[in-house]
Amino acid sequence: DTEVTQTPKHLVMGMTNKKSLKCEQHMGHRAMYWYKQKAKKPPELMFVYSYEKLSINESVPSRFSPECPNSSLLNLHLHALQPEDSALYLCASSTVRPGANVLTFGAGSRLTVL
Amino acid sequence: GIQVEQSPPDLILQEGANSTLRCNFSDSVNNLQWFHQNPWGQLINLFYIPSGTKQNGRLSATTVATERYSLLYISSSQTTDSGVYFCAADSNFGNEKLTFGTGTRLTIIP
Repeated sequence: DTEVTQTPKHLVMGMTNKKSLKCEQHMGHRAMYWYKQKAKKPPELMFVYSYEKLSINESVPSRFSPECPNSSLLNLHLHALQPEDSALYLCASSTVRPGANVLTFGAGSRLTVL
Repeated sequence: GIQVEQSPPDLILQEGANSTLRCNFSDSVNNLQWFHQNPWGQLINLFYIPSGTKQNGRLSATTVATERYSLLYISSSQTTDSGVYFCAADSNFGNEKLTFGTGTRLTIIP
């Protein structure tokens, strides 16, 4: 079993809906990440939180809104998404060790936007 | 940013065969990791290997940082080894920004 838990595993939403993806880890990691992966493509970094503060935003559209309420939780709030946002959303965590942040991934949330 | 390319893009092997997957990167790295993504999408970290050689069971990896490449060796392949293998690298010390390579899709036939 993965030590990073993502919910829900599958989500179908309309373009006017508001939904959230959740990620939880209890490994004491202080860096958490959101990646987006389209079919047959590599994961692409979206956001990085380090010590609960947003440290990297890879120019992600504002319809994706990350939140890190505490060191164990990471949310991704979704609003007014487009069909092209359908993808596998992966959460990961790591220690904060420059040059040695070894990522542990969750199983992913597969999002379909209708 | 750093460019990461992998070869071959696809590999089909008989069970029991050995394989070598290659990862080339465009800049010196301080962080390089190998991952296996199973058919259900789960990414598993195989190695953290910015330089040198490591082994874990049937898998081993070697990174030659001065020549900007890394190799992943899989011996005595099993059907459970099927999936996509990614390497990911970072060239900026202190920046938690791993860039994933293009991936190698490995299919092991019984």
